[in-house]
Amino acid sequence: DQQVKQNSPSLSVQEGRISILNCDYTNSMFDYFLWYKKYPAEGPTFLISISSIKDKNEDGRFTVFLNKSAKHLSLHIVPSQPGDSAVYFCAASAKNAGNNRKLIWGLGTSLAVNP
Amino acid sequence: KAGVTQTPRYLIKTRGQQVTLSCSPISGHRSVSWYQQTPGQGLQFLFEYFSETQRNKGNFPGRFSGRQFSNSRSEMNVSTLELGDSALYLCASSLIGANNSPLHFGNGTRLTVT
Repeated sequence: DQQVKQNSPSLSVQEGRISILNCDYTNSMFDYFLWYKKYPAEGPTFLISISSIKDKNEDGRFTVFLNKSAKHLSLHIVPSQPGDSAVYFCAASAKNAGNNRKLIWGLGTSLAVNP
Repeated sequence: KAGVTQTPRYLIKTRGQQVTLSCSPISGHRSVSWYQQTPGQGLQFLFEYFSETQRNKGNFPGRFSGRQFSNSRSEMNVSTLELGDSALYLCASSLIGANNSPLHFGNGTRLTVT
């Protein structure tokens, strides 16, 4: 059962426009969310995160929005650049009984930004 | 600071063999996690080590094991390899674990089982 879902396997956007990547989750205990970017033949790199006490976090061209009632988060990239073309993973975590955390990952969305 | 280093980058093994993958975390990072990435399955968590102790474990069979040394370097072992074990194996380190500290990934070891 996929607790973190990225329902769009791929997305194509024109350079300069906004890219919106979506992520839905089912576990209401998740309280920390992260986005990672992955280029081919490389490991994922951390992009931006948000705690459940916030509904928005911004870092340069990247903004993550969290809607707890809808169990939905989105990553906005404005303006999109060709170098943003990569696979984007959404991940969520909650504390377990041992007060440790484990990240649950979505399957990723492949973003293509066309010049 | 050097990043997370995984060796080897590529590996080809035969069914039934065993394999050991190595991971050197970023200096100062005490937590090392291992993931398996396959097409259509995303990143599947294998286990996390912190201060030489396994702190978290995913839902993989006992053929998958790991350990962490006193210098935080970690190894992952897969015994009795199966074709389905072909995947990209990623190691990630963080300062104190997945407790809200972002993971820093290596570039992975691409394992092919024939």
